[in-house]
Amino acid sequence: GNSVTQMEGPVTLSEEAFLTINCTYTATGYPSLFWYVQYPGEGLQLLLKATKADDKGSNKGFEATYRKETTSFHLEKGSVQVSDSAVYFCALRENTDKLIFGTGTRLQVFP
Amino acid sequence: DGGITQSPKYLFRKEGQNVTLSCEQNLNHDAMYWYRQDPGQGLRLIYYSQIVNDFQKGDIAEGYSVSREKKESFPLTVTSAQKNPTAFYLCASGQRSANTGELFFGEGSRLTVL
Repeated sequence: GNSVTQMEGPVTLSEEAFLTINCTYTATGYPSLFWYVQYPGEGLQLLLKATKADDKGSNKGFEATYRKETTSFHLEKGSVQVSDSAVYFCALRENTDKLIFGTGTRLQVFP
Repeated sequence: DGGITQSPKYLFRKEGQNVTLSCEQNLNHDAMYWYRQDPGQGLRLIYYSQIVNDFQKGDIAEGYSVSREKKESFPLTVTSAQKNPTAFYLCASGQRSANTGELFFGEGSRLTVL
């Protein structure tokens, strides 16, 4: 079945460091891919998405490119801030209408 | 403002009691979902509904029940049969049509069994 695998956290960085959170997926067809962010005690917010191969989603300085050849959707940011500290979820959605999530990666950014 | 409202935000329950979590949306979405979040396990799907008066079991439906009598509302009941109900519960909604659409989430309800 479809699945999403994320790198385990926590990821600990200093402010202004470069961020990469790896995400790979398994799907039978052509899913849409998403990154969601969850701040402490809150629900999930959509960060970015890509709906087909080679699409690049971007928002708030974060980027991710839909790589069909490597079945990956890695999240990157050139310079993180303390306010980026949160849990990040990679997800896919295919024909079943369900959103399938990875286990989440906690990011901690220190001044 | 359009969005999803979950209530209550915090709920305490004694063992053996049923509790119902409310989820209301005014986004005119056809599909609604309930997820459970446990530390280190990500989000797991409990139930989902793609249209009024219809719903399907997700991956961990045992011990839970839902109803979808109105498009705007999708309440979740955690029954006494749920063996480990302490968790953070998230409701979401989205357009039913294409698989390209994102889901929109509520702020969550934290249930603690005493």
